[in-house]
Parts: sequence; C-alpha cells; structure tokens
Amino acid sequence: SQQGEEDPQALSIQEGENATMNCSYKTSINNLQWYRQNSGRGLVHLILIRSNEREKHSGRLRVTLDTSKKSSSLLITASRAADTASYFCATLGGATNKLIFGTGTLLAVQP
Amino acid sequence: NAGVTQTPKFRVLKTGQSMTLLCAQDMNHEYMYWYRQDPGMGLRLIHYSVGEGTTAKGEVPDGYNVSRLKKQNFLLGLESAAPSQTSVYFCASSWGTGIQPQHFGDGTRLSIL
Repeated sequence: SQQGEEDPQALSIQEGENATMNCSYKTSINNLQWYRQNSGRGLVHLILIRSNEREKHSGRLRVTLDTSKKSSSLLITASRAADTASYFCATLGGATNKLIFGTGTLLAVQP
Repeated sequence: NAGVTQTPKFRVLKTGQSMTLLCAQDMNHEYMYWYRQDPGMGLRLIHYSVGEGTTAKGEVPDGYNVSRLKKQNFLLGLESAAPSQTSVYFCASSWGTGIQPQHFGDGTRLSIL
C-alpha cells in the first residue's frame, strides 16, 4: 500500500543548481515528512510539515504542501555534491497507521 | 552518541537457515521498527513495537518474528530463510508516532542463496 510517490524517480543536476522533488499521496494527512538516504546508509529525517502549514524552510531546504492536490514538494537550493542521495516522503497510513514511505527520488549532483 | 546500531552489517544465508538481526538504540525511545528495502519498492514495515514487551505486525510480517525483551533492543528473526527475503533490513526508533521523526540504523544487507 503506497501512500506517497515521488517524482521524478531520478534527477541529475549541476552543483549550484536547484533541485525540486515532488511527492503525491492518496489519503488525508496530519503531516508529511521528508527523509534523505545516502548510499549504503540509513534514512535521515530532514523536515516535517503539518497539514495546516503551506511552506516550511530549513537551511537550504524548502518544503511546500498543497492538501487540496495531495502533494508536497522539496526544493534544495544551491545544491552541492554532498546532496547526492535518495529523498523520500513519508506519511501516516495503511492498516497500521504507521509511516509509509514513497519509492524515492534519486538525486545526483554533478561537481 | 551511537543512535541506532544494527548487527550484523552483512550476512549470506542458505535457504532454510535461521538467523537473528539485532537492533540497539541508546535514545530511550519507546517505539522501534523493522523495515525491508527492496529496489523500486521503498521501505516496507515488517514489525514494530510501541514499548518493552510489545510487538505488532506491520505491512509484510510473514516469515519474520520479533522480540522486544529490553527497551533498547529489538530483534528480528528469520526462522527458515527464503530467497524472497534477500533484502536490506533497516531498524528505526522514535519517541512516539505521528509527528515524531524516526532515527534509522545503517542497515543489514542479507542475501539468501
């Protein structure tokens, strides 16, 4: 049962450019979380946005949420090679009402 | 501060063998989770625990068992390994559910031949 799906599946950009990833989900949510996963490592929590928020910032990260469209976007500004990773959105859902992760966007930042 | 530690990091098993994956957290978290990650499928919840002595089934529990005898440890067992269980297994922990972020270990890469 996939709650969130990221788009695009893969993204390749040059250092200094902005990277935008999108997440669409199926059911109503209270909040949405974004995680990063570096190759061979576990997921790391980046940011949480609540359903009553439209935009949230954390350093070079900007997250938006449109509950009417059931979608969220993650923008990374002035990307660096170290931002190369997979990015996942996650929302509560399913029979267990626990976090369900999307399939992720693989971001490659070329130096 | 170690966070979430998983052992072993790699393991190769033969079909039918059994093994236990260990997860330890030092953040005094109540909630612990086991996921598997397969290419193109994201993370899927196998089992979880909401406190010491409790366990519950996740999305894909068949073929796995878990135990949480101590608050800091969460064990995942494969009684009779099958090739379909070849995957990367992640453990995570959190203070609670809902808005609480999950903290992940670096995974166990398991191959079943």
